[in-house]
Amino acid sequence: QVQLVQSGAEVQKPGASVKISCKASGYTFTYFALHWVRQAPGHSLEWMGWISPGNGHTKYSRKFRGRISLTRDTSATTVFLELSSLRSEDTAVYYCARETVHCNGTSCDDPFFDSWGQGTLVPVSS
Amino acid sequence: QSVLTQPPSVSGAPGQRVTISCTGSSSNIGAGSDVHWYQMLPGTAPKLLISGNNNRPSGVPDRFSGSKSVTSASLAITGLQADDEADYYCQSYDRSLGDYVFGPGTKVTVL
Repeated sequence: QVQLVQSGAEVQKPGASVKISCKASGYTFTYFALHWVRQAPGHSLEWMGWISPGNGHTKYSRKFRGRISLTRDTSATTVFLELSSLRSEDTAVYYCARETVHCNGTSCDDPFFDSWGQGTLVPVSS
Repeated sequence: QSVLTQPPSVSGAPGQRVTISCTGSSSNIGAGSDVHWYQMLPGTAPKLLISGNNNRPSGVPDRFSGSKSVTSASLAITGLQADDEADYYCQSYDRSLGDYVFGPGTKVTVL
């Protein structure tokens, strides 16, 4: 079955960078884009960006451009989120999520997230 | 502030029906973007509940159903059960922002 397993919690100081991993298994890694979504305490889910494991193409939310980098290691079926210049507002649980599309005949729905990692807590505090 | 709006909370007695609305605009739901719904049980990752406005993944009970109109969508839960207590989020794609967007979430309480 599809599994996304993320790295463990990481306490960070303001101004530092964090790199979180998400290891995929149970499906062909290069066939599905992987997204990153975060949830700060008391807040909703917030989309950050996606990476295509097949060719490494990325797209980032404008909010994080300049601070975010998504990479992948196809031999390890793992994607990485790196977020730099951390501030207290970046304290959140970070999730990776697999994108999929449902098609019926000749039309397809918009992409959605059918599998999620367990989440990685990143507290940012001095 | 979320691009999509949802009521902060809804509640119902066991066995009752509750609905959660998700209102967007002409740049997302009104532009034809699909709406998907996720359930977050306390302390757990989101779980896909409804995709493409009204499609239930395998394993999701038929007590959950989705619908979509012009600039809004709804999630209905019938035969409310205690383990339905969770936060529910709608999600769509905003064509002006070029971002995937989530609603603020709705907490369902079973009385």
